[in-house]
Amino acid sequence: DSGVTQTPKHLITATGQRVTLRCSPRSGDLSVYWYQQSLDQGLQFLIQYYNGEERAKGNILERFSAQQFPDLHSELNLSSLELGDSALYFCASSVDGRSSYEQYFGPGTRLTVT
Amino acid sequence: AQKVTQAQTEISVVEKEDVTLDCVYETRDTTYYLFWYKQPPSGELVFLIRRNSFDEQNEISGRYSWNFQKSTSSFNFTITASQVVDSAVYFCALSGDRYGQNFVFGPGTRLSVLP
Repeated sequence: DSGVTQTPKHLITATGQRVTLRCSPRSGDLSVYWYQQSLDQGLQFLIQYYNGEERAKGNILERFSAQQFPDLHSELNLSSLELGDSALYFCASSVDGRSSYEQYFGPGTRLTVT
Repeated sequence: AQKVTQAQTEISVVEKEDVTLDCVYETRDTTYYLFWYKQPPSGELVFLIRRNSFDEQNEISGRYSWNFQKSTSSFNFTITASQVVDSAVYFCALSGDRYGQNFVFGPGTRLSVLP
């Protein structure tokens, strides 16, 4: 158990809908990262937050947004969902905002868009 | 730009065989960090090791060992006496040491250990 929690574990929704994925980092970790893992794209970095502020953006679509709250949990919002958004979404946390620190991953949320 | 290559897409071995997973990286940073992660069939990503660019000593942890060679930009991972529980996808990753810089993951190598 990495100490990172993600809810829900599975999510099935229809195209055009909006969903929110939630992540709680390990105790003491200030940085949260979101990744998308799909068969054809591999592990893609989406976005990073450090102590409530956005720190880095990766291949995140404009239809997606995220935030980190004062209690350090984070939410990833996916809107106007398309079939191609079906993937495993991971949250990871690390103690620091620098990428040199290892990241601990949550169990992931499997999103299926039908 | 940073890049990680794991040329072996899939490897199958029989239990108790030794197996080496290759990782080759590209970076212009003088300070960088390398990582290995394991993704078993259950899906979670498990951190295995972190190595910085100034430490080229090989590392051994039980049946796992890592060989970092700066001269060939490689960070290979060897499992000795493989076991069925080692079956997983293994990812190599690379990062710099700056805020706002991302991890770059390789495509992964799927290891199947057959009984």
